[in-house]
Amino acid sequence: DVKVTQSSRYLVKRTGEKVFLECVQDMDHENMFWYRQDPGLGLRLIYFSYDVKMKEKGDIPEGYSVSREKKERFSLILESASTNQTSMYLCASSLGMGSTQETQYFGPGTRLLVL
Amino acid sequence: GENVEQHPSTLSVQEGDSAVIKCTYSDSASNYFPWYKQELGKRPQLIIDIRSNVGEKKDQRIAVTLNKTAKHFSLHITETQPEDSAVYFCAAPLYNNNDMRFGAGTRLTVKP
Repeated sequence: DVKVTQSSRYLVKRTGEKVFLECVQDMDHENMFWYRQDPGLGLRLIYFSYDVKMKEKGDIPEGYSVSREKKERFSLILESASTNQTSMYLCASSLGMGSTQETQYFGPGTRLLVL
Repeated sequence: GENVEQHPSTLSVQEGDSAVIKCTYSDSASNYFPWYKQELGKRPQLIIDIRSNVGEKKDQRIAVTLNKTAKHFSLHITETQPEDSAVYFCAAPLYNNNDMRFGAGTRLTVKP
């Protein structure tokens, strides 16, 4: 059974703070993703990674960066949090092997509030 | 890039009725189409998917149909039950990229 965990379920931060969201998967998946989920907008891809130290921008990378130093861990970083980054953040992983056409397994989500 | 449109945004049905959610996509090279269900306060989970070499796939009360010519695919839920109430997301891949595009979601409410 694939398990994807996220470091926090709820976070409250102040504008300008640096925020780290951590995601860990335990199934040796190659692909990892960060999405944000907002009402009426669905799941929007921020960044994804298909290998250690590799990253690709998604649809809305502005204001975010990522880090993948180990295969099982993918971190999302908000360098200077702003109120418009208040959202639900979902991490996901998929097997990889050069294919996009695979099930994505999601973490439980982190609800971030930026004051 | 891939554009995925999902309709309706909300759907309310009586228990026992059928529910249909439709998605259209723009990248004609896409050939894998999953559907995810997200219950309140929980993570999205895959419920069914279809690959482009088939036109329909069924799993008990859930079915997905695919029309590659028209570039749309639909989720059908028959004999709906209150536990089917959730937000449903369709998705389609960017063929040459390693990512997936999601629809905006449909909030399904099944009234007992």
